[in-house]
Amino acid sequence: DTEVTQTPKHLVMGMTNKKSLKCEQHMGHRAMYWYKQKAKKPPELMFVYSYEKLSINESVPSRFSPECPNSSLLNLHLHALQPEDSALYLCASSQEGRKETQYFGPGTRLLVL
Amino acid sequence: GIQVEQSPPDLILQEGANSTLRCNFSDSVNNLQWFHQNPWGQLINLFYIPSGTKQNGRLSATTVATERYSLLYISSSQTTDSGVYFCAVSAAGNKLTFGGGTRVLVKP
Repeated sequence: DTEVTQTPKHLVMGMTNKKSLKCEQHMGHRAMYWYKQKAKKPPELMFVYSYEKLSINESVPSRFSPECPNSSLLNLHLHALQPEDSALYLCASSQEGRKETQYFGPGTRLLVL
Repeated sequence: GIQVEQSPPDLILQEGANSTLRCNFSDSVNNLQWFHQNPWGQLINLFYIPSGTKQNGRLSATTVATERYSLLYISSSQTTDSGVYFCAVSAAGNKLTFGGGTRVLVKP
């Protein structure tokens, strides 16, 4: 099974709201990732968790707060977002290591009003 | 950081045609993946291919690591092949950098 699941599929939020995106995998992977993809652009890495510890933060604004409660789950907490944060948010997972295939979830389409 | 360039940016094919997509990268890589992104946004793994040649049905890929490029071949294209094809590489650690993508439209 190479499935990564993400909820919700779609999310509309106001600039004062707090919401969370969720990602889950049951492949025993120990690395998990958040990517952001704007329309007609490639995905861009936001965060990497390795063995449940944050290992890479690509200078993402603090209004995005990642959390890895256990090896199967990854959350992205959203607070005080801006309309320009509207995008497709993709979660991925892989075995830990430099030469491992990353598997992506279906994404959450976020619209900030 | 590593630079990844894909060509062509857009490709229109008649159903049944063959095509080649190219990915150039600026540094040695330890990870190279090809993905197909469908119209709903799902990124589907096609190949993990940091070097060598692989085939999967009508798709095949070749990476020449010493010359820093990879090719994706689509044979006998079908309308379901439409979408965006991304090449993504990692030079260190597990940080994938994506190319700009090739947008493919296969017409019936």
